[in-house]
Amino acid sequence: AQSVTQLGSHVSVSEGALVLLRCNYSSSVPPYLFWYVQYPNQGLQLLLKYTSAATLVKGINGFEAEFKKSETSFHLTKPSAHMSDAAEYFCAFGGATNKLIFGTGTLLAVQP
Amino acid sequence: EAQVTQNPRYLITVTGKKLTVTCSQNMNHEYMSWYRQDPGLGLRQIYYSMNVEVTDKGDVPEGYKVSRKEKRNFPLILESPSPNQTSLYFCASSLEQGTLNTEAFFGQGTRLTVV
Repeated sequence: AQSVTQLGSHVSVSEGALVLLRCNYSSSVPPYLFWYVQYPNQGLQLLLKYTSAATLVKGINGFEAEFKKSETSFHLTKPSAHMSDAAEYFCAFGGATNKLIFGTGTLLAVQP
Repeated sequence: EAQVTQNPRYLITVTGKKLTVTCSQNMNHEYMSWYRQDPGLGLRQIYYSMNVEVTDKGDVPEGYKVSRKEKRNFPLILESPSPNQTSLYFCASSLEQGTLNTEAFFGQGTRLTVV
């Protein structure tokens, strides 16, 4: 069965510091992987998706994620955090099933 | 503007009083689904629809009903709401499912409180 695990329900970084949000997946079929962001009182918005064309995927707002098959990971990074990045981030697995399978989310806090 | 529209955004109701949350998309998407979001649990799928008149259960369907009479609309019905259905609900649509076009577009959410 497919599953997604996000390590760390809360992550706090200083403004300007590296952001690293972790996501690991379990799947017996090639995965389609997504990162979504949820700002307060809003719906989810797609940050980026893994299409198998390239292992390093660039998304909106300076975020990127690297697909590592050997580690079954799809971690999200941003070199320099901004206050506006404070939000909840969800990793999701798609493909082979009739739904997106979401991780439990990571709440990112950015300290001034 | 491409969007998924849910109504209402906020709803407080009493146990047992039937309610409907509407969802409409203007992207001609085949696939629509409902999720509920609870702290520490992420998003869990309630029901989904592959096309008009085709619906199926997700992971947590108990206490909910849906219908898909038109491609653009996918209402969520709670026939007899209970306090454990207090949650944040999201409707989503996508072009397809099980492919790269699984990318989902989400509504703004409906925060439901059942007292």
